[in-house]
Amino acid sequence: EAQVTQNPRYLITVTGKKLTVTCSQNMNHEYMSWYRQDPGLGLRQIYYSMNVEVTDKGDVPEGYKVSRKEKRNFPLILESPSPNQTSLYFCASSLLQGELSGKLFFGSGTQLSVL
Amino acid sequence: AQSVTQLGSHVSVSEGALVLLRCNYSSSVPPYLFWYVQYPNQGLQLLLKYTTGATLVKGINGFEAEFKKSETSFHLTKPSAHMSDAAEYFCAVYSGGSNYKLTFGKGTLLTVNP
Repeated sequence: EAQVTQNPRYLITVTGKKLTVTCSQNMNHEYMSWYRQDPGLGLRQIYYSMNVEVTDKGDVPEGYKVSRKEKRNFPLILESPSPNQTSLYFCASSLLQGELSGKLFFGSGTQLSVL
Repeated sequence: AQSVTQLGSHVSVSEGALVLLRCNYSSSVPPYLFWYVQYPNQGLQLLLKYTTGATLVKGINGFEAEFKKSETSFHLTKPSAHMSDAAEYFCAVYSGGSNYKLTFGKGTLLTVNP
């Protein structure tokens, strides 16, 4: 089954404790992206990647890191989480060419709480 | 620069009534336009998209949207609401460029009353 898999689904942590949210897709998509969703603000892009070893900042990259060492994986790293990073996070992927280009496939989300 | 405005953060309709969710966009070039739906505790799913060609686009679950360039709008409609349509709906725009960036609106929560 074609899917984007995020883990964990829920995460509670404390300020300053490094964490990683994993994201993996099995559709051989070139494009992957991370979003955060906050009430009243919609989805805001954190980082994106056009292909392996190619990453760039989105609208709200501060406090986050990413890497794209393999095509299928795109982990989101919070080196020193702070309470303002409490949010619902989504990973998404897409083809860049063809009929399905522009169709983002989303993971189920990671609800992060930073205390 | 591209942007999306969704009019109404919350829309409530009765079952069987017309659903109309409004979306206006700003783009310096001909845009690609999308509607996504988010059911509770799930990720977003694509409902429909407009790229080029026919301005009336049909999507899944009986939804459709019409691209009106003169009004810079891409409103989502469904003739008859069903209880299962209750969800949050997001309009998004892509104006091209190397970063392949979709800009999302803030979302409209649709409630369907029995």
